[in-house]
Amino acid sequence: EAAVTQSPRNKVTVTGGNVTLSCRQTNSHNYMYWYRQDTGHGLRLIHYSYGAGNLQIGDVPDGYKATRTTQEDFFLLLELASPSQTSLYFCASSDAAGSSQNTLYFGAGTRLSVL
Amino acid sequence: AQSVTQPDARVTVSEGASLQLRCKYSYFGTPYLFWYVQYPRQGLQLLLKYYPGDPVVQGVNGFEAEFSKSNSSFHLRKASVHWSDWAVYFCAVSMTGGYKVVFGSGTRLLVSP
Repeated sequence: EAAVTQSPRNKVTVTGGNVTLSCRQTNSHNYMYWYRQDTGHGLRLIHYSYGAGNLQIGDVPDGYKATRTTQEDFFLLLELASPSQTSLYFCASSDAAGSSQNTLYFGAGTRLSVL
Repeated sequence: AQSVTQPDARVTVSEGASLQLRCKYSYFGTPYLFWYVQYPRQGLQLLLKYYPGDPVVQGVNGFEAEFSKSNSSFHLRKASVHWSDWAVYFCAVSMTGGYKVVFGSGTRLLVSP
């Protein structure tokens, strides 16, 4: 079954720590996204990509890097984590065209706490 | 740039009553519009989507939404709410031919007995 899998599901780190969130999709989709979800803000787009090696800047990119190594894998990197990055992170994928164009398929989320 | 406003952070409805959740979008052109639902401790799932065509779209579990270009709105409706509809609902917009998807802040639906 096509899916978006995120790991880890939960992560605790300290201020200044280094964190990598992983996402793998088996939907054969071109596009992948990283969002953060915070109360009162809904989902905010961090970075997105339309293929291996491509990276597009989202609406809240500060403090985050991302890398798309293959069509399936999209990573979010926090190199100097700060408490303001404590959040619930979602990865999603979508198709480029056809009847499901821009429909997002989400992973289960990664809850990150920065102490 | 496209944006979405969901003016109601929380809506409480009695079980069996009708429901409308409001969504206003800002986009120059014809957008793609979506409603997603997030049940407690889960990720987001698609409820329904609008691609240019019939302004009223049907979704899962009896939900429907109506696109209005003149009002820049895409309100979600349901005729009779069930307790299992207790969730957070997100409206989202993307450009026709683009792939950036922008979400509103969400509306938390509470269902009272």
